[in-house]
Amino acid sequence: SQKIEQNSEALNIQEGKTATLTCNYTNYSPAYLQWYRQDPGRGPVFLLLIRENEKEKRKERLKVTFDTTLKQSLFHITASQPADSATYLCALPTGGGNKLTFGTGTQLKVEL
Amino acid sequence: KAGVTQTPRYLIKTRGQQVTLSCSPISGHRSVSWYQQTPGQGLQFLFEYFSETQRNKGNFPGRFSGRQFSNSRSEMNVSTLELGDSALYLCASSRTSGDSYEQYFGPGTRLTVT
Repeated sequence: SQKIEQNSEALNIQEGKTATLTCNYTNYSPAYLQWYRQDPGRGPVFLLLIRENEKEKRKERLKVTFDTTLKQSLFHITASQPADSATYLCALPTGGGNKLTFGTGTQLKVEL
Repeated sequence: KAGVTQTPRYLIKTRGQQVTLSCSPISGHRSVSWYQQTPGQGLQFLFEYFSETQRNKGNFPGRFSGRQFSNSRSEMNVSTLELGDSALYLCASSRTSGDSYEQYFGPGTRLTVT
């Protein structure tokens, strides 16, 4: 069956360090992958989309990689700040249209 | 540009009742998707509507239904509520369907079934 796994444990890092979050999937061959941020009590917010023919994508302090051979995406936040504390979700298109299947999410906490 | 709005924000219902949730997408967006979020199952896709037609459906029982109006506004309905239906219901709008556009989520409706 199809599965999307993210770091199940919360990730605590110190301010200024780089946070690296992992998204692994099985039994998919997605044309693209998306990353979202979700704060408590709010809907997810779109951050980045990376296509299968792109190895890496950057947006300000964010960087995403996509390895279709390993079936893995890595999400990096450089120079992390306490305001980056949130749950980060990866999502893959499955079943056509705009249907997305989301990973379980990784809770990131950036400490002073 | 105004974001996605959902009403009501909070709702308490009793088992066996039915509920209707509403979603207004971003102006110009024609696709609306609905998701259920629970601590145990995470975010799960319910269905997508595009140009008033159901485009896709997730693995939920027939008690969950939806529709979309000509102005792209969407409603979802849950009949014969069960305790397990307690969740955050999120809708997401997108400019079109199936072209890898990002989705814009609303704040959600928190449904509690007692």
